Amino acid sequence: GAGVSQSPRYKVAKRGQDVALRCDPISGHVSLFWYQQALGQGPEFLTYFQNEAQLDKSGLPSDRFFAERPEGSVSTLKIQRTQQEDSAVYLCASSLPGYEQYFGPGTRLTVT
Amino acid sequence: KNEVEQSPQNLTAQEGEFITINCSYSVGISALHWLQQHPGGGIVSLFMLSSGKKKHGRLIATINIQEKHSSLHITASHPRDSAVYICAANAGGTSYGKLTFGQGTILTVHP
Repeated sequence: GAGVSQSPRYKVAKRGQDVALRCDPISGHVSLFWYQQALGQGPEFLTYFQNEAQLDKSGLPSDRFFAERPEGSVSTLKIQRTQQEDSAVYLCASSLPGYEQYFGPGTRLTVT
Repeated sequence: KNEVEQSPQNLTAQEGEFITINCSYSVGISALHWLQQHPGGGIVSLFMLSSGKKKHGRLIATINIQEKHSSLHITASHPRDSAVYICAANAGGTSYGKLTFGQGTILTVHP
């Protein structure tokens, strides 16, 4: 496919479970971003990768959040010991540096 | 105070009306983005601009760097324009495009 894809689209986790969210960026896009969007709010920045290097993780809300992009393509956002406040839509976007970002459809995480 | 603020938060219009959504930001920016998000859908980039004005079909985006203000206009609005419109600032301190988002404007266009 030509666009950014994310999986799963929906995830329900019991509080305390670990989850892993996947992002497949557009081929050749060096930059990859993760955002968190709470219900009724605008997205908020979580972390940024340039190729495989995580250059900015200032938006990760706690040390339970971890992201990786080991080969500079697919990225995984992992949340350990999920809490109810982690319920949100997690968006991934990719781009060429300095150009417009292309967003994936998001993963809606519900923690019960 | 948020770094990026939009107004109005909710906007209802009749089909055919001219619509304006405003965005003010308090940070220095290298670019300002306008994005569209449909319910249950992903986010689509409409415009990325750093000065002046851009037009695409019935959509027009303007920015005034001195006043730190941008507007998104929709001419001859249509029910299919109903969506959430989000402005986002690419803060000037980063070269890689880290975005700070407004809270979004929910637009509903009635037939």
